[in-house]
Amino acid sequence: GQQLNQSPQSMFIQEGEDVSMNCTSSSIFNTWLWYKQDPGEGPVLLIALYKAGELTSNGRLTAQFGITRKDSFLNISASIPSDVGIYFCAGQISPLAGGYQKVTFGTGTKLQVIP
Amino acid sequence: GAGVSQSPSNKVTEKGKDVELRCDPISGHTALYWYRQSLGQGLEFLIYFQGNSAPDKSGLPSDRFSAERTGGSVSTLTIQRTQQEDSAVYLCASSLRDRASPLHFGNGTRLTVT
Repeated sequence: GQQLNQSPQSMFIQEGEDVSMNCTSSSIFNTWLWYKQDPGEGPVLLIALYKAGELTSNGRLTAQFGITRKDSFLNISASIPSDVGIYFCAGQISPLAGGYQKVTFGTGTKLQVIP
Repeated sequence: GAGVSQSPSNKVTEKGKDVELRCDPISGHTALYWYRQSLGQGLEFLIYFQGNSAPDKSGLPSDRFSAERTGGSVSTLTIQRTQQEDSAVYLCASSLRDRASPLHFGNGTRLTVT
C-alpha cells in the first residue's frame, strides 16, 4: 500500500541531544499525526496537527504541519533513554461528510538513545 | 475498557491452520481499522470498517483473509490456511467518525506460523 517517505530510517543519538525527523508526501493531507511505538506495543499518538503551518508542542516534542500540506516534522529536545522506539508519521485525508478517513503511515524512524 | 483491546496477544499456529484474531474497539468509536506489521517494517493497511460495513477492503492480501464486525463493536480478522509469510503483528485501531479524529491502536496480536 501507499506509504509516506519518512527520514531518517534510523538514528543513534547521545542522551541530551535534540532529534529531528520528517515526512514528505506527494499528496496533500488534512491532518498530520505523529505516533511512537515501543517494543511489543501498538503505536501511541504523540501529536496531532490539523492546520497547515500549525506548530504544536507536547512537552519536549514539537511538530509542524507544513505549509504545502505535503510534509511534517517532529523534533524531540533533550532526549532521554525512554525516547527509544519507532516513530511513525501519518497523514489523514478527511473527505466530505459521509466518506472515510484514509490514513497513510510513514515507514518509521527507529530511534536509539545512548546513555 | 479505556483502550483498544486485542486478543490473543500471541498466537503460534501450524501452517495450514485457520486463525481468528479479535479486536474490541474503544466504546463509541464507529471506525475500526486492521493493519499488519511485519518485523521491523511499517504499517500495512488491511481493512476499514464504518459500523458493521467495510467500505475499504483493498489491503487484504488474498482471499484467505477476511474480517467481520458485529454490533458496530467487536471485529474478528480470520486467516484461513495460514502460510509462513502471514507471520506478523496484526494491529487494530479505532476512531470516532469525526473527520479529524486520530486512530487509537491496540497492542496487537503477534502471529507466528510454523
